[in-house]
Amino acid sequence: RKEVEQDPGPFNVPEGATVAFNCTYSNSASQSFFWYRQDCRKEPKLLMSVYSSGNEDGRFTAQLNRASQYISLLIRDSKLSDSATYLCVVSTFGNEKLTFGTGTRLTIIP
Amino acid sequence: GAVVSQHPSWVICKSGTSVKIECRSLDFQATTMFWYRQFPKQSLMLMATSNEGSKATYEQGVEKDKFLINHASLTLSTLTVTSAHPEDSSFYICSATGGFEETQYFGPGTRLLVL
Repeated sequence: RKEVEQDPGPFNVPEGATVAFNCTYSNSASQSFFWYRQDCRKEPKLLMSVYSSGNEDGRFTAQLNRASQYISLLIRDSKLSDSATYLCVVSTFGNEKLTFGTGTRLTIIP
Repeated sequence: GAVVSQHPSWVICKSGTSVKIECRSLDFQATTMFWYRQFPKQSLMLMATSNEGSKATYEQGVEKDKFLINHASLTLSTLTVTSAHPEDSSFYICSATGGFEETQYFGPGTRLLVL
């Protein structure tokens, strides 16, 4: 079983729609959780950290369910610029060692 | 945010040659640098963790004699792929931490193609 599992997609979503991704992780000792986005042929960039209480950053909302070991990302009012691969990332000891999911590919359609 | 650079951004080489990739933290001192590899349609896989002035810690399955890592200063780490073969063709990405936010900052990556 992979340490971090994501639905690879692709998700093709019309502009303005709301889209949600889920991710599950296998290591119950995981302590830190992140969503990164990666554009084609580019490096990953931190989108947001995920906190136990849930957190929101503009159109992006992240939730963490420790009991079920899953993380979610909700994107509201999607923009064309949101098209990217979204990577679910977990870490056991803060930011020392990151474990990446394979990513979910999102395409926003005009 | 902090800036991490990599050089070269892409390289094409013949099988059997060695390739050196540089990772630099431009505006902060990186106490720890990480090297990742990403094959097409796969996730980033951590290859090794390097701390300034000490030997790198390699992940299981990564050959330390093939992937030489040097972290001689707080702003520079190098990865040398020795005797590269076509199966080493990949996207190599470094990241660095040690800055004010303790976040890992990623370099732009280096695409290696071994013919």
